[in-house]
Parts: sequence; structure tokens; C-alpha cells
Amino acid sequence: GESVGLHLPTLSVQEGDNSIINCAYSNSASDYFIWYKQESGKGPQFIIDIRSNMDKRQGQRVTVLLNKTVKHLSLQIAATQPGDSAVYFCAENTPSGGSYIPTFGRGTSLIVHP
Amino acid sequence: DSGVTQTPKHLITATGQRVTLRCSPRSGDLSVYWYQQSLDQGLQFLIQYYNGEERAKGNILERFSAQQFPDLHSELNLSSLELGDSALYFCASSAGLAGMSSYNEQFFGPGTRLTVL
Repeated sequence: GESVGLHLPTLSVQEGDNSIINCAYSNSASDYFIWYKQESGKGPQFIIDIRSNMDKRQGQRVTVLLNKTVKHLSLQIAATQPGDSAVYFCAENTPSGGSYIPTFGRGTSLIVHP
Repeated sequence: DSGVTQTPKHLITATGQRVTLRCSPRSGDLSVYWYQQSLDQGLQFLIQYYNGEERAKGNILERFSAQQFPDLHSELNLSSLELGDSALYFCASSAGLAGMSSYNEQFFGPGTRLTVL
């Protein structure tokens, strides 16, 4: 596969550990946030989203936390598995004319060791 | 497989040339989005169409244009190509407008890798 980015922050964990990936966003007008997973050679894949009227949302093995005061998002992955190895992006979405303009973070490379 | 198809998978061309990238959204999806992913700029939103009309515009250069046809497929046209246009270009589709609910989750295609020599 191909690398989607060099010199990305890297989080290296052992299988079974919990992983926390952080993201800072910049626009206080952003009111919708998404975490994506991108495996080598593939397009991004939606993981979980959260609206600005919430501070926590849980999915299957994943939890997103939103702190609007400091413009910070985190993605928590429970019991991390080798299949979770990928680059993870956050996206802030800013309302624009009935739709949204997404802005993506640089991404964090998660490496899960068996 | 997301259900979004993109052609071609790879494209190699020369500076100054023009290329067209094609995207077929998932069956029933009305929104199409185009993104550029490069090593130095990361993933950037270019433009969104909903049911044939432009709905949101991001960091799309004037040399680039897009359209969505009545059958909902979309094309991204890149002209006067420069070395810096070399990147992965992704198309995504969603049922409706972005961000309204998880019903409008975006599904990404496999991408077209453009190399400008």
C-alpha cells in the first residue's frame, strides 16, 4: 500500500490497550465534527461524528470527546486491535450556505503491535 | 467497497496538460464531494455538488472545475497542470447535504492518483 502522509504524529500501542488520538480545531463557528480512519491505499472511512451541542458520543469501541472551550477533540479506541492500524483524521465542519465546509487535521498514524 | 467508483485509478501526464477525473456516487446518493490529498497539504476539500448544483466550495483552484450530471455522476477537470497538482484525488458521496445527520455520512471512493511530470 502507499503512505498517505510522511512525518505524521505516530501513536504506537500494544494490542488490547486503549488508544487516545487528539485533534485541535481552529474555527469556533464549526459545529459538526467527524473522525475518519484511512488505511494504506484506501479512501477515508467515517468512524464517528459529534455535534457541538454534545460533549461525548459513543460508538462501538470508540468514543469521541469534544471540548469547545479549548477547541479540542479526542478519539478513544477501546481494546485496540491490529486492524485499527491506520491514519486517523479529525474534520471540523463549518456551516456554509446550507451545507458545510470541512477542514481536516493532518492526521495521526496509529500502529498497533500484536 | 464503499460503492463509490472513481476512474481512472492512476493517471500520469505532463505539465500544462488537462485531465478529467470521473466519479460515480453510491446508488441513490445526491451529493458528491471532491477532495485532494497530498503529502504536504494533507486532505483538502475542493467542492461539493448536490443534485446537480454546486453547494459548497473549498480550496479549489481556478484551473480546476467540476460538474455533476443529471445521472448524478461527477467529473473534476484539472487544467494547465503543474507539478504541485500531483496528488490523490478522492470523490465521496452522501445521501443528502453534509453534516445534517449521520444519515448523510460521506462514503469515499478509492481515489485517483495523479502524477504530473
